[in-house]
Amino acid sequence: NAGVTQTPKFQVLKTGQSMTLQCAQDMNHEYMSWYRQDPGMGLRLIHYSVGAGITDQGEVPNGYNVSRSTTEDFPLRLLSAAPSQTSVYFCASSYSSGQGEYNEQFFGPGTRLTVL
Amino acid sequence: GENVEQHPSTLSVQEGDSAVIKCTYSDSASNYFPWYKQELGKGPQLIIDIRSNVGEKKDQRIAVTLNKTAKHFSLHITETQPEDSAVYFCAASDQAGTALIFGKGTTLSVSS
Repeated sequence: NAGVTQTPKFQVLKTGQSMTLQCAQDMNHEYMSWYRQDPGMGLRLIHYSVGAGITDQGEVPNGYNVSRSTTEDFPLRLLSAAPSQTSVYFCASSYSSGQGEYNEQFFGPGTRLTVL
Repeated sequence: GENVEQHPSTLSVQEGDSAVIKCTYSDSASNYFPWYKQELGKGPQLIIDIRSNVGEKKDQRIAVTLNKTAKHFSLHITETQPEDSAVYFCAASDQAGTALIFGKGTTLSVSS
């Protein structure tokens, strides 16, 4: 298994540009999520999905869109990039064993995004 | 919502010493508490986790303790080695069990 894969590894954007960060997992996990990591801030949840066709907002959703058309893929879209979105982005997945039961999250290697 | 505080932010120890990192959480409904290790340039990786129905869990040199009454949990690393040097994050599940709330991390440095 490849686990959780993310592309690209690095990206530089200009303010106002749009782009999509790709995330895929081959473990048949129902739950997928996106985090951003900033120095001294830990990991903050942007959006998450508990299954195909279902998404919800996390702690810092503004400026980001997601969709979940398949179990495997969970892309994160920046519609109009801003310097405040400069960060390292991590995708994660886990299997879901029922309401209120949390399980190990597997993280991808990250995408380092710089917005000029 | 859930809030997780983690201390210390940096920790330096000599090889062979023990290291302890502490976290507190605010939501008494939280029931899952993982610890992640992040090496430079990589994604976080789970090293140990504990659920609310257990007070302590051990895996070789790593142990986690949970005090539900006080709402705090700790990571204990014994006989530290240089390869233990990394950033460690604690986390707690939210009430719905759909999200993890992370602490801000502890940078552990083990010198030989």
